[in-house]
Amino acid sequence: AQRVTQPEKLLSVFKGAPVELKCNYSYSGSPELFWYVQYSRQRLQLLLRHISRESIKGFTADLNKGETSFHLKKPFAQEEDSAMYYCALASGSARQLTFGSGTQLTVLP
Amino acid sequence: EAGVVQSPRYKIIEKKQPVAFWCNPISGHNTLYWYLQNLGQGPELLIRYENEEAVDDSQLPKDRFSAERLKGVDSTLKIQPAELGDSAVYLCASSQTGTTDTQYFGPGTRLTVL
Repeated sequence: AQRVTQPEKLLSVFKGAPVELKCNYSYSGSPELFWYVQYSRQRLQLLLRHISRESIKGFTADLNKGETSFHLKKPFAQEEDSAMYYCALASGSARQLTFGSGTQLTVLP
Repeated sequence: EAGVVQSPRYKIIEKKQPVAFWCNPISGHNTLYWYLQNLGQGPELLIRYENEEAVDDSQLPKDRFSAERLKGVDSTLKIQPAELGDSAVYLCASSQTGTTDTQYFGPGTRLTVL
């Protein structure tokens, strides 16, 4: 069965510092990974997906199949990046999403 | 575009009472999802619809939960009777085809069972 692990429930960094949110997955098939973000009082929304290989709001994530990881990184954190971040794995023919338990990122001034 | 609409936003009921949640997906989205999100956890899929057909309901507790999507547009999720452990946020999402398309989430309904 597929599983997504986000080891950090809470993560705090200072503004301008680099940030890395960890995500590890377990899946026997070909993985498709996503990062979703939920800002305060807003709905859950897609941040980025690995197949797009794009940078959104300065965030990037590289799929490492050897380490089964999909960590989210940003070189210089901003206060507006404070939010709950969820890593998700699409699996099966229907590409059903399995979410991790989330990491609450707080960027301190 | 209003996005995915859900109502009510909050619901407080006593245990053993019935409750229903409503979802209106984005216009033109054929695939609709209901998720359950417990406190401190990520969303977990309950059921997925392709148009009006429930194509994946393996995670739906069918003894007390039911769902319908009449005419392939709006959907209703019902719990009868509710239990204390059902307190959670119920999320609805929609996508165009349900395979590789992005899922768009509604604001959720926060259910509290007393």
